[in-house]
Amino acid sequence: QKEVEQNSGPLSVPEGAIASLNCTYSDRGSQSFFWYRQYSGKSPELIMSIYSNGDKEDGRFTAQLNKASQYVSLLIRDSQPSDSATYLCSPETDSGNTPLVFGKGTRLSVIA
Amino acid sequence: SAVISQKPSRDICQRGTSLTIQCQVDSQVTMMFWYRQQPGQSLTLIATANQGSEATYESGFVIDKFPISRPNLTFSTLTVSNMSPEDSSIYLCSVRGSRYEQYFGPGTRLTVT
Repeated sequence: QKEVEQNSGPLSVPEGAIASLNCTYSDRGSQSFFWYRQYSGKSPELIMSIYSNGDKEDGRFTAQLNKASQYVSLLIRDSQPSDSATYLCSPETDSGNTPLVFGKGTRLSVIA
Repeated sequence: SAVISQKPSRDICQRGTSLTIQCQVDSQVTMMFWYRQQPGQSLTLIATANQGSEATYESGFVIDKFPISRPNLTFSTLTVSNMSPEDSSIYLCSVRGSRYEQYFGPGTRLTVT
C-alpha cells in the first residue's frame, strides 16, 4: 500500500506570511510529484508539478523535492486569504501505470 | 491540460434508485478514473476505466453497485445503483495527462434521501 502523509491542519497563517506545507511518501520509486489545491465544494486543481530534486518556483508557489528523504513541500509566499483551501500532495507511482495516490490534504487558513 | 465536464452537477435521489453520471473530455485519453469524496474526507478511488477493457475496481467497490462504461476515448459513465444514504458524496471523474498528472472534472454532488 503506497502511503502519502500530510499534516491535516488546519494550518493558520497571517496574510502576507509564508505558508509551508509538507508531505512524505513511501514509494521510493516515485519520480513525479504533484500539488493540488481544493477549495471547499470544488474539485482538485493541479497547481504544481515537480520531477527532479531541488526547488521549482511558479509565481508565489515553490515546490521542493528531496527524493532521498522521500519528502516534498510546497511554500506559498505572500499568502492571501484566497489561498485558503485544502492542499493535496500526490506522488506518481508504478511508473504512471496506476492512478495517483492522494494524501488526506492539509487545510490552510490565511487570516486577513 | 484537459477540459472535463460532468453531468449532472448535482442531484437528489431516493434510496433504491440509480443515477448515471456522465464524464466528457475535450481530448482523447487512455486512462480515466472515478473517485468519490465524502464530506470532509480525502479522495477515494472507485475504479480505473480504460477504453476497450473492463473497468478495474478498487477494494470495497464492485461492478454491480458501480457499473462503468467507457465506449470511446473521450467519454465514460459511472452508475450508482440501488442507492442508500451512505452513497451521498461527490463523485469525480479524472483523466491522466501527458506526464502522469491528473485533471479532475467539476464533480457530481449526490444526495440520497
